[in-house]
Amino acid sequence: AQTVTQSQPEMSVQEAETVTLSCTYDTSESDYYLFWYKQPPSRQMILVIRQEAYKQQNATENRFSVNFQKAAKSFSLKISDSQLGDAAMYFCASQGGSEKLVFGKGTKLTVNP
Amino acid sequence: DTGVSQDPRHKITKRGQNVTFRCDPISEHNRLYWYRQTLGQGPEFLTYFQNEAQLEKSRLLSDRFSAERPKGSFSTLEIQRTEQGDSAMYLCASTSGQGFTYEQYFGPGTRLTVT
Repeated sequence: AQTVTQSQPEMSVQEAETVTLSCTYDTSESDYYLFWYKQPPSRQMILVIRQEAYKQQNATENRFSVNFQKAAKSFSLKISDSQLGDAAMYFCASQGGSEKLVFGKGTKLTVNP
Repeated sequence: DTGVSQDPRHKITKRGQNVTFRCDPISEHNRLYWYRQTLGQGPEFLTYFQNEAQLEKSRLLSDRFSAERPKGSFSTLEIQRTEQGDSAMYLCASTSGQGFTYEQYFGPGTRLTVT
């Protein structure tokens, strides 16, 4: 069974600053993917970034990057140069051995102007 | 692509009534997923289809829940004899292939409130 834990229910950041959202996971699968999804208020969930477990290099998408520590089963998201539009719920998720995504409880990110 | 659409966006029903939700995936996406998201929680997997075949069901999908995907296009999720615990956001997602490399695209969800 897979589990995903997000220990920060809420985070806040000043506009243009950097923030890191934490995620830990547990899986018995040898091959799996990890994801960060963004869910803006009243809008649909969109994929922010994903990481293949067998790749050591951390994924990067523009201002978004991850710190993937496989041995520690840690997968944090760093948002650089935060913008007001980054305000949303962020969900960490894993997928391995099955088609389904397993999500954490989410972190609500507030961006202060 | 117009994206994944869901109808209705909001549904209020009384306990004991039946409700049905519809999901239209992105055109030519052969895999379709249903998730349920309760307040303060992340989405939880319910079931998924490849074309018209239902391939996996979560134990969360009690006997009161049924999902179909006739002809492998749109899907419906029906809840019979609704209970207050069924109040949640029901999310649909679709993807064009199998496995990790294919992104799941989510719809806006149907928010169900059972009174």
